[in-house]
Amino acid sequence: EAEVAQSPRYKITEKSQAVAFWCDPISGHATLYWYRQILGQGPELLVQFQDESVVDDSQLPKDRFSAERLKGVDSTLKIQPAELGDSAMYLCASSFAAYSPLHFGNGTRLTVT
Amino acid sequence: GIQVEQSPPDLILQEGANSTLRCNFSDSVNNLQWFHQNPWGQLINLFYIPSGTKQNGRLSATTVATERYSLLYISSSQTTDSGVYFCAVLSSNTGKLIFGQGTTLQVKP
Repeated sequence: EAEVAQSPRYKITEKSQAVAFWCDPISGHATLYWYRQILGQGPELLVQFQDESVVDDSQLPKDRFSAERLKGVDSTLKIQPAELGDSAMYLCASSFAAYSPLHFGNGTRLTVT
Repeated sequence: GIQVEQSPPDLILQEGANSTLRCNFSDSVNNLQWFHQNPWGQLINLFYIPSGTKQNGRLSATTVATERYSLLYISSSQTTDSGVYFCAVLSSNTGKLIFGQGTTLQVKP
């Protein structure tokens, strides 16, 4: 069964450093999502892409976070500079269309020290 | 925005018991999905269920959109069912998929 690929699986970084996460969605999935999940809470949407276009980034802290999906396939989420409060699980998900079932990758667990 | 409330927040079962998890939402939705997050953090899509009833093995789900709730049934629970169960709703107004806070299930052998 096709999967959403994410890397790295774990990342430890010092505050004020830059960090990047990569996601490769299921082939043919036009919609890609980045979620952040703080321990004990449900995932919170950071950014949603339809092909290469951002359709929702209202919850993305744009002073330090950026996301791109240049060719409408894989995507990168960057944080610069990282802050202690950014420690969380970063989840990538994809779906065939915006109204279709979501499929998640394994996530990247970020620890900022 | 739309509110999604899940109950109970925590549930402890003995292996073999049945359980019902509930998801209430405050506004009209285009679809509803149930997910299971295992202890390693992986989120698995269990059901895509905007309305009606679906069954998959020991799990089934029912959504009554007009009354703004969905139920997830787990029968003959197993230790591998442990984890956090999330419902997520696609708001008709905003088009955003909003997650509830989850129900943490522990199944004891």
